[in-house]
Amino acid sequence: EDKVVQSPLSLVVHEGDTVTLNCSYEVTNFRSLLWYKQEKKAPTFLFMLTSSGIEKKSGRLSSILDKKELSSILNITATQTGDSAIYLCAVQGDTNAGKSTFGDGTTLTVKP
Amino acid sequence: DGGITQSPKYLFRKEGQNVTLSCEQNLNHDAMYWYRQDPGQGLRLIYYSQIVNDFQKGDIAEGYSVSREKKESFPLTVTSAQKNPTAFYLCASSIKVGGHQPQHFGDGTRLSIL
Repeated sequence: EDKVVQSPLSLVVHEGDTVTLNCSYEVTNFRSLLWYKQEKKAPTFLFMLTSSGIEKKSGRLSSILDKKELSSILNITATQTGDSAIYLCAVQGDTNAGKSTFGDGTTLTVKP
Repeated sequence: DGGITQSPKYLFRKEGQNVTLSCEQNLNHDAMYWYRQDPGQGLRLIYYSQIVNDFQKGDIAEGYSVSREKKESFPLTVTSAQKNPTAFYLCASSIKVGGHQPQHFGDGTRLSIL
């Protein structure tokens, strides 16, 4: 059974801080790892990492995949209050018809 | 604008009652999914569908049923057999199941017991 573990479960920082969120996984025949941001309602897609694309960056957010360690990190620099959200990590493997398995998420709170 | 529409936003269920949550997409995606999210937890897959008139159970299908009669619609029924239905329900779609592609989510339906 595929498994995704995120840490920490929650995090409180002040504006301007840099944060690192962790995601470790166990999946048969890994295909991809995805990061989503969930504010109030719908999760929105941030990054997808695969064997051919292990590092992604967009503005203050960046993510790296470590296939050897079966993990990924999501970095947010110069945090803003608008970064407050739940960050979800999901993996896709070849079994289970390629469905995504989600972790429990990291709740990030950025204080002014 | 393309997207996924879930309705209603809030729903209350009486004991012994079945309720149906609506999910419609105009993204022309083949695959659709239903997830349940409880406080402090991630998304757990209830059912998914790869194509019209076909669907498969996810990890927590007991007490739920679905249909996929049209490509754009994937309604979820929470039956009276689901003893703990209070949760946030999210519908999602992707171009197809599997492959290297993200899922697009609706804004969710929050279901509570009266």
